[in-house]
Amino acid sequence: EDKVVQSPLSLVVHEGDTVTLNCSYEVTNFRSLLWYKQEKKAPTFLFMLTSSGIEKKSGRLSSILDKKELFSILNITATQTGDSAIYLCAVRPDNFNKFYFGSGTKLNVKP
Amino acid sequence: EAQVTQNPRYLITVTGKKLTVTCSQNMNHEYMSWYRQDPGLGLRQIYYSMNVEVTDKGDVPEGYKVSRKEKRNFPLILESPSPNQTSLYFCASSSGQGPYEQYFGPGTRLTVT
Repeated sequence: EDKVVQSPLSLVVHEGDTVTLNCSYEVTNFRSLLWYKQEKKAPTFLFMLTSSGIEKKSGRLSSILDKKELFSILNITATQTGDSAIYLCAVRPDNFNKFYFGSGTKLNVKP
Repeated sequence: EAQVTQNPRYLITVTGKKLTVTCSQNMNHEYMSWYRQDPGLGLRQIYYSMNVEVTDKGDVPEGYKVSRKEKRNFPLILESPSPNQTSLYFCASSSGQGPYEQYFGPGTRLTVT
């Protein structure tokens, strides 16, 4: 059965800390992995990863994929209160247009 | 402005009373999808559509229907809602060049009593 597992489920840090969020998956015929940020509204797209070892970066956020070990990490450096959100990981198999989402990691950044 | 709209945003209804949640996008996207979000379960895909008149089941299609008669619209129909369909629903759309970056609507919070 295809599944996506995120850890930790929740995390509390202070501004300036660095955090690492994890996403592991078991999906038949993997095609891509996506990260989303969800504040008190709809999810917004962060990254899409398709190849192992290529780090995607956007400001203080970066992500990398390991297709051999079937996981991805999302790093946030120098966290700010505006980073507080639920971070969702989704995986798309190659032969379908379905998406499988993890349950998310709730990040709370305190001043 | 490129966007996905959903209506209504909030709905309280009773068991068995048919309802429709509308979804519309103005980006000429081929791919559209419906999700429900429940605490601790993340987003689960209900149905998706690759183009007009082409729909397919996601992970949790039971109790839901969809139609895609026009490219821009993808309504979600609950023929006989039950309390276990109380949830937050999101519609999303994406270009047909591989549904990568999905644009999500604002969500519809449905309560079935």
